[in-house]
Amino acid sequence: NAGVTQTPKFQVLKTGQSMTLQCAQDMNHEYMSWYRQDPGMGLRLIHYSVGAGITDQGEVPNGYNVSRSTTEDFPLRLLSAAPSQTSVYFCASSSRARQENTEAFFGQGTRLTVV
Amino acid sequence: AQSVTQLDSQVPVFEEAPVELRCNYSSSVSVYLFWYVQYPNQGLQLLLKYLSGSTLVESINGFEAEFNKSQTSFHLRKPSVHISDTAEYFCAVRKTSYDKVIFGPGTSLSVIP
Repeated sequence: NAGVTQTPKFQVLKTGQSMTLQCAQDMNHEYMSWYRQDPGMGLRLIHYSVGAGITDQGEVPNGYNVSRSTTEDFPLRLLSAAPSQTSVYFCASSSRARQENTEAFFGQGTRLTVV
Repeated sequence: AQSVTQLDSQVPVFEEAPVELRCNYSSSVSVYLFWYVQYPNQGLQLLLKYLSGSTLVESINGFEAEFNKSQTSFHLRKPSVHISDTAEYFCAVRKTSYDKVIFGPGTSLSVIP
């Protein structure tokens, strides 16, 4: 099973460039989310979605956009990259259907450097 | 709003010694609690979870955590650590009514040979 797949694994951007981090899951999970991980800060929620067509902001949404046109995909867009967005980005998904499946499944991460 | 505190950012411990990683949360409603582990250059993996029922939950690799509602804690323990347990450990909380997952800042466990 593929689980949660993130691409690319590594990316270097120049300040002001735009790009999209891809996230796809094959578990038919309703809930998907994006986190950024910075040293000493843990994981901070950027945006999340409870289903196709529905998205909402997390703790640190500024500078990022998301959309959810299908259950499987949840891309994260950086419209104008800034050095402060240098981080490791994780996508996660989880099921709403059953209590015993409440945990989040994570992708392997995208390491982004903005110069 | 929910929040999670992990009091120790780094915990060094000798191999085969016991360890406790502390986690406290704040929430006005019922929650699910999780511990995730992150090995170097990898994503997060679920270690164990508390949903309901017995307050003591165990993982397959010897870790256990106890939910203490009165102290709003969910500390992680292992009686004897191995070198392979060296990793970052994150405590997380989620409302039972279904909501986003909030993570603590993490504790870096270093096992010393």
